[in-house]
Amino acid sequence: KQEVTQIPAALSVPEGENLVLNCSFTDSAIYNLQWFRQDPGKGLTSLLLIQSSQREQTSGRLNASLDKSSGRSTLYIAASQPGDSATYLCAVKDSGYALNFGKGTSLLVTP
Amino acid sequence: DAGVIQSPRHEVTEMGQEVTLRCKPISGHDYLFWYRQTMMRGLELLIYFNNNVPIDDSGMPEDRFSAKMPNASFSTLKIQPSEPRDSAVYFCASTEGGRVVYEQYFGPGTRLTVT
Repeated sequence: KQEVTQIPAALSVPEGENLVLNCSFTDSAIYNLQWFRQDPGKGLTSLLLIQSSQREQTSGRLNASLDKSSGRSTLYIAASQPGDSATYLCAVKDSGYALNFGKGTSLLVTP
Repeated sequence: DAGVIQSPRHEVTEMGQEVTLRCKPISGHDYLFWYRQTMMRGLELLIYFNNNVPIDDSGMPEDRFSAKMPNASFSTLKIQPSEPRDSAVYFCASTEGGRVVYEQYFGPGTRLTVT
């Protein structure tokens, strides 16, 4: 069974810092990996999706990388802002149709 | 398209009552998923359907939970009788299985509180 782990569970940084969120998975035979953002009491917003054949994807200040062989992905956020405060979830799709989620990293960016 | 629609957005009920959560997937999507999110366990798959047929219900916690998809545009998740430990956020998601890029689209969720 695919296990997805996100470290750290919580992170607090001052505004303007660059930061990295980590995601690891146990079975490298994945189809794709997706990063989501979840604001308190809200649903999931898809940020980036990386296909298994890709190494990275970028959207604005966000960059996600994928290393299948080591079972790792990172989400890099440049020049963090208070509006980036949210929980970030990593989800892996393997041979099944459902997504396997990590428990998320709760990010707080302080002014 | 309006995206995945879920109702109600919030539900508060007493232990022992029946609860029905509803989902309308994105038109044209042939897969529908029900997930549950709790602080302890994170987001977990409960059940998913393909072309209105349940494919994998191994995540359904117990017989108190049941899900149906009578047609391509509607699904329900029912809990009877409800218990306080069922308190969670329930998400519905849908996708089109034949696409090269497989991506699930999530509804806003239903926050269930069982007292």
